[in-house]
Amino acid sequence: GAGVSQSPSNKVTEKGKDVELRCDPISGHTALYWYRQRLGQGLEFLIYFQGNSAPDKSGLPSDRFSAERTGESVSTLTIQRTQQEDSAVYLCASSLDPGLGYGYTFGSGTRLTVV
Amino acid sequence: QQPVQSPQAVILREGEDAVINCSSSKALYSVHWYRQKHGEAPVFLMILLKGGEQKGHEKISASFNEKKQQSSLYLTASQLSYSGTYFCGTERAGNMLTFGGGTRLMVKP
Repeated sequence: GAGVSQSPSNKVTEKGKDVELRCDPISGHTALYWYRQRLGQGLEFLIYFQGNSAPDKSGLPSDRFSAERTGESVSTLTIQRTQQEDSAVYLCASSLDPGLGYGYTFGSGTRLTVV
Repeated sequence: QQPVQSPQAVILREGEDAVINCSSSKALYSVHWYRQKHGEAPVFLMILLKGGEQKGHEKISASFNEKKQQSSLYLTASQLSYSGTYFCGTERAGNMLTFGGGTRLMVKP
C-alpha cells in the first residue's frame, strides 16, 4: 500500500485480557519498528525487525509483550494480560533500508485503552 | 540512552525563527528529525548522517556536530503550519532510533 497501515485504530479492552495489534508496512521496506507513546510523552522503542535477522526485542517492557513478523510483511504485537499502564498509542513504522539513511514512515497508530 | 532535547517548549509569532537542539552522550551514526501534529503520526523531516552535511527542507534546516554528538533544527520565518511537537531520533550504527522527549512548538498569528 501507499503507507503504513495499522489496525485497529482504537481498542478498548478490560484489564487482564489479551490484545493483538496489527501493522502492514510499506511494500519493500525491510525494517519494521514498534514504538509506544503515552499521552503527552515521547516515543518508547519496543521491538525492531530487519529482514530475516533475529528481532531486537530489547525494548519490550515485560514478558507479557511479544511480536512477530512474517517475512518482510505484516507484523503483530501481542500484549497478554493487559494492565492499565499498557494504555498508550502503539505506533508501527517501516523503513526501506535504515543503513542507507532512509527515514521512518509511521502508521497512524492503535490507541489502546485498558479499563 | 535517550537524547536530550531543548527547549521543551517554545511559542513563536508567525515569521519568527527558532532553534531546537538535540544532544546525545553516545557516538551516533545518524540523527533524524520528525514533526508530530496533535493526534497524528510523526512525519519524517530529514536525516543527517555521520560525515554528512547540513541539510535543508523548505525553510527548515538542520546540522549535525559529530564531535559534540549534537544536532540542531533551524526553523526560519515560521508559519502556522510549523506548529507541532518535534522529535529528534538518534541512531547508533545498525540499531533502531532512540527518540528524545520532544519539543512543543506553537506558532501564533
